[in-house]
Amino acid sequence: KAGVTQTPRYLIKTRGQQVTLSCSPISGHRSVSWYQQTPGQGLQFLFEYFSETQRNKGNFPGRFSGRQFSNSRSEMNVSTLELGDSALYLCASSLQGATNEQYFGPGTRLTVT
Amino acid sequence: KNEVEQSPQNLTAQEGEFITINCSYSVGISALHWLQQHPGGGIVSLFMLSSGKKKHGRLIATINIQEKHSSLHITASHPRDSAVYICAVRSGNQFYFGTGTSLTVIP
Repeated sequence: KAGVTQTPRYLIKTRGQQVTLSCSPISGHRSVSWYQQTPGQGLQFLFEYFSETQRNKGNFPGRFSGRQFSNSRSEMNVSTLELGDSALYLCASSLQGATNEQYFGPGTRLTVT
Repeated sequence: KNEVEQSPQNLTAQEGEFITINCSYSVGISALHWLQQHPGGGIVSLFMLSSGKKKHGRLIATINIQEKHSSLHITASHPRDSAVYICAVRSGNQFYFGTGTSLTVIP
């Protein structure tokens, strides 16, 4: 089975712009979770989607949003980018959610200048 | 306030040593995960636990629900084990992470 893929792998944006990141889960996995990793805050949970519905959400502002499509692929969007949004964004897929084993993608490294 | 605390933060070991990384949490959990992150960012899930003990090769993970504590043990450590090990817990609708333990195994 192919692993979790994320596109793009690297991205440079300017403050105020918006960005969309994509995650394709392992075939058959219905849950996709998104995480942000920064040197200062470490890993933080953004949100979890299951069967096209947002099931859980972390403590992030409304500028961070996401969605999941019927084929389980997921996108996350960050609007009005700030310097502090520079981070590694990771997605993970699992069969049913975070009480199942999670399989992580390679991440998208976003740099905001 | 950190819901998940790991110790030690940094660990250097000689090849072949037995290694223990500890994780304590302060919230009720439905699952605890041990993750491994190599330089470059890729994360691999090593274990998911809700009770007891699991073993995979040279790695052993235990959890004590009453004491809200988990340990990750590496037997016969090897330089390829050098990585950051992260403890994460699922609590209700949230997911909390420890700050990680950076392990270096010297040949």
